[in-house]
Amino acid sequence: TQLLEQSPQFLSIQEGENLTVYCNSSSVFSSLQWYRQEPGEGPVLLVTVVTGGEVKKLKRLTFQFGDARKDSSLHITAAQPGDTGLYLCAGGRGYNNNDMRFGAGTRLTVKP
Amino acid sequence: GAVVSQHPSRVICKSGTSVKIECRSLDFQATTMFWYRQFPKQSLMLMATSNEGSKATYEQGVEKDKFLINHASLTLSTLTVTSAHPEDSSFYICSAEETGFSNQPQHFGDGTRLSIL
Repeated sequence: TQLLEQSPQFLSIQEGENLTVYCNSSSVFSSLQWYRQEPGEGPVLLVTVVTGGEVKKLKRLTFQFGDARKDSSLHITAAQPGDTGLYLCAGGRGYNNNDMRFGAGTRLTVKP
Repeated sequence: GAVVSQHPSRVICKSGTSVKIECRSLDFQATTMFWYRQFPKQSLMLMATSNEGSKATYEQGVEKDKFLINHASLTLSTLTVTSAHPEDSSFYICSAEETGFSNQPQHFGDGTRLSIL
């Protein structure tokens, strides 16, 4: 079983639509990261959240960390084809993120 | 920003060959580096944590004699897949965290696609 449950696993939407991806766990995390990965490349960090209830915005992307630091969400407004990719959440439990685990990922396809 | 270089980016070799993959932190020191494996359309699975100057810590189910890790300096970790077989074909990704900082994200290399014929 995954320590971090991501949903949905697959999402196919039209350009301009909004979407939300969820990352849930029964464990408390000291920090949580969201990454985006293109095929054949390593994950690229989008954001790190460390404080319960924290909300961070990155252009059309809004990230939220749950109050209890067990869950997070990623909301994309007016999705564009360039947003297509695999979105991964990763939670760190140790002091130096030595115990970081990845969710299964959400594969997003935005059709023009 | 912090850059992690992984080499080679792609390897194709015959069954039984040993393959070495390098992971370098280019502009920061990394006491700890991580090795992941990713199968097609799946997420990253942590294989082992590489610690500079000491033995690597392997995740359950990962054979340490099969996947040899060496972290001889603060900027370089290597993963050697010994006597590779077709089932070892996968996308291998390393990451590194900057020494001395807490709650910092890991910086990832671009991965190595290993294909065993």
